[in-house]
Amino acid sequence: GQQLNQSPQSMFIQEGEDVSMNCTSSSIFNTWLWYKQDPGEGPVLLIALYKAGELTSNGRLTAQFGITRKDSFLNISASIPSDVGIYFCAGNSGNTPLVFGKGTRLSVIA
Amino acid sequence: NAGVMQNPRHLVRRRGQEARLRCSPMKGHSHVYWYRQLPEEGLKFMVYLQKENIIDESGMPKERFSAEFPKEGPSILRIQQVVRGDSAAYFCASSPTRQGPVSFEQYFGPGTRLTVT
Repeated sequence: GQQLNQSPQSMFIQEGEDVSMNCTSSSIFNTWLWYKQDPGEGPVLLIALYKAGELTSNGRLTAQFGITRKDSFLNISASIPSDVGIYFCAGNSGNTPLVFGKGTRLSVIA
Repeated sequence: NAGVMQNPRHLVRRRGQEARLRCSPMKGHSHVYWYRQLPEEGLKFMVYLQKENIIDESGMPKERFSAEFPKEGPSILRIQQVVRGDSAAYFCASSPTRQGPVSFEQYFGPGTRLTVT
């Protein structure tokens, strides 16, 4: 089945630093989604990507759909304490269900 | 516009009992998905439903688990004769009505945390 490798698994950064995380898949995807999950809550959709090469921003967040259609990255600029949480990538191709990465756990040190 | 609602938020069951988890999709959404999440893991797809139809249940265990999305009322994920390994967070997501069998932007509820003692 489809698999997603998400890295890094965890990050500890200083407030104000930029953050970058990425996902690679074992097969071609048509859709990439990035979610953030806070403890005890459900994932919240941050950015949706539908075209290879697409670059989309949402405030301080920027995500790109890789041109090979097998990868995506998420950047967070000028991190703040409320960026703390687990970031998940998810994707699918055609009629298949969404596949999720295992998450990147972000900690921000003030 | 209310988001996806799930209840209960926490559920404790003894081994052998039944667990019923409810999900009300966002207004205007007719696609519902159920996922399971173990600690330190991502979400694993279980089942995809539309009103009165199961579209894809490829992630659902063959025994003890069932799901429905009736014409009226919430979607229900039912686990019969629960075992300790069923302890997990169960999330429901919904998406707008679209062409094609699998929608793209899925919006999640807060989850139900099931503990089997």
